[in-house]
Amino acid sequence: DTGVSQDPRHKITKRGQNVTFRCDPISEHNRLYWYRQTLGQGPEFLTYFQNEAQLEKSRLLSDRFSAERPKGSFSTLEIQRTEQGDSAMYLCASSLGVPPYNEQFFGPGTRLTVL
Amino acid sequence: SQQGEEDPQALSIQEGENATMNCSYKTSINNLQWYRQNSGRGLVHLILIRSNEREKHSGRLRVTLDTSKKSSSLLITASRAADTASYFCATAEVISSGSARQLTFGSGTQLTVLP
Repeated sequence: DTGVSQDPRHKITKRGQNVTFRCDPISEHNRLYWYRQTLGQGPEFLTYFQNEAQLEKSRLLSDRFSAERPKGSFSTLEIQRTEQGDSAMYLCASSLGVPPYNEQFFGPGTRLTVL
Repeated sequence: SQQGEEDPQALSIQEGENATMNCSYKTSINNLQWYRQNSGRGLVHLILIRSNEREKHSGRLRVTLDTSKKSSSLLITASRAADTASYFCATAEVISSGSARQLTFGSGTQLTVLP
């Protein structure tokens, strides 16, 4: 257990539905990251926050995706109008200190299945 | 796209043997990190090596970095069945502003250590 928690751990939804995932980072960590991982591949960066500010978004993050970190603590990732291609593991990570000389602590992930 | 590419994709060894995994990357990096992932779980940070370092040790792990060849290797000595997992290299790419991009992961090496 790294101290980063994610909820839910598994989510099954029908195509077209909206889903929201939550990540609780290690409390003193100022940076929070979202990644997506498909089977047999490494994680792909989606977005990251420094405190409450969203500083970078990947091109993978289409308009259907939105992420927030309202008080610089927990974060949510919402996917609207889900598609089957959204099926993946969504990983959250947090870190402290001046990047990039810092390790990222990953949560257990939320596995999304879109039917 | 994946920056780091691990080789081999899969490796199967007997307990007690050494395991070597390689990672190649394409751009200038600030640092390179190795992570481990047990099946269906989040990633665990193993070791970080900076671009001005050539070798680093941590317990049974030894990491080398050759920036001229844009490659790194991870050696696990005296492997144990519990080392069975996927191993990913991740690079922090330098961007024009002088800071670094977020981590870019390779597709991983699946290591199986047979008892």
